[in-house]
Amino acid sequence: AQSVTQLGSHVSVSEGALVLLRCNYSSSVPPYLFWYVQYPNQGLQLLLKYTSAATLVKGINDFEAEFKKSETSFHLTKPSAHMSDAAEYFCAVTAWTGGFKTIFGAGTRLFVKA
Amino acid sequence: SQTIHQWPATLVQPVGSPLSLECTVEGTSNPNLYWYRQAAGRGLQLLFYSVGIGQISSEVPQNLSASRPQDRQFILSSKKLLLSDSGFYLCAWSAQGASIYGYTFGSGTRLTVV
Repeated sequence: AQSVTQLGSHVSVSEGALVLLRCNYSSSVPPYLFWYVQYPNQGLQLLLKYTSAATLVKGINDFEAEFKKSETSFHLTKPSAHMSDAAEYFCAVTAWTGGFKTIFGAGTRLFVKA
Repeated sequence: SQTIHQWPATLVQPVGSPLSLECTVEGTSNPNLYWYRQAAGRGLQLLFYSVGIGQISSEVPQNLSASRPQDRQFILSSKKLLLSDSGFYLCAWSAQGASIYGYTFGSGTRLTVV
C-alpha cells in the first residue's frame, strides 16, 4: 500500500520569496507522483506529474518538483511567490496494487504576504 | 477537448432529506469516474469509483450511494442526509488505464446539511 505525507498544513511566504512545499511518499512499487492546486471553492487542478521520465518535473506557473527516490520525496518549489499562488496544494501518489490506486495527502495551504 | 460538469455548486439540505449530485463528462468515452469528499481542513476521501456503466466500487461504507446510468454520467445519492454528510464533493475523471497521468476534477459541490 502507498501513503503520502505533506509536512506542514500551513506555509506562509512573502511575495517574491521561494516557495517550498514538502511531500514524502511511501510505496512498495514504483510510484507516479502528482501535485494539484485548489483555489477556494473550486476543484483541484493538476500542476505537474512525475511518471518515471525526468526526475525534475516542470509544471504550470513556474512550479517544479523533483523526484528523489533515495529520500522518497517529491517537494514542490517555485522561485518567486506571487499573491495569486495563495491556494491549497495537494500531493498525490498513484501505484499499482492489483489496480492503480491514488492516495492524496492532507494538503498544505499556502499564504502569500505582500 | 474534454470537460467535466458538476452541479449544483452549492446546496443546503435539511437532515433526513434526499440528495442527488450529478456529474457529466464531455469529449471522451469510457472514462473512469470518481466521487471524492473533502471535509473542512482535511484531505480528499475517495467515496466511489466506476470503470464502466453500472460498475460501482465503494471505498467507504456510509450513507451515500453512486450510480452510473450512462457512460459519461455519474450520480451521487442519499436517501436520508446526516449532518456528517456536509462537505465539499468533487467529481473527477481519468482515461481508462491512464490514471497514472492524473485526474481532471469538476468544480465541486458545497453541501451543507442543517
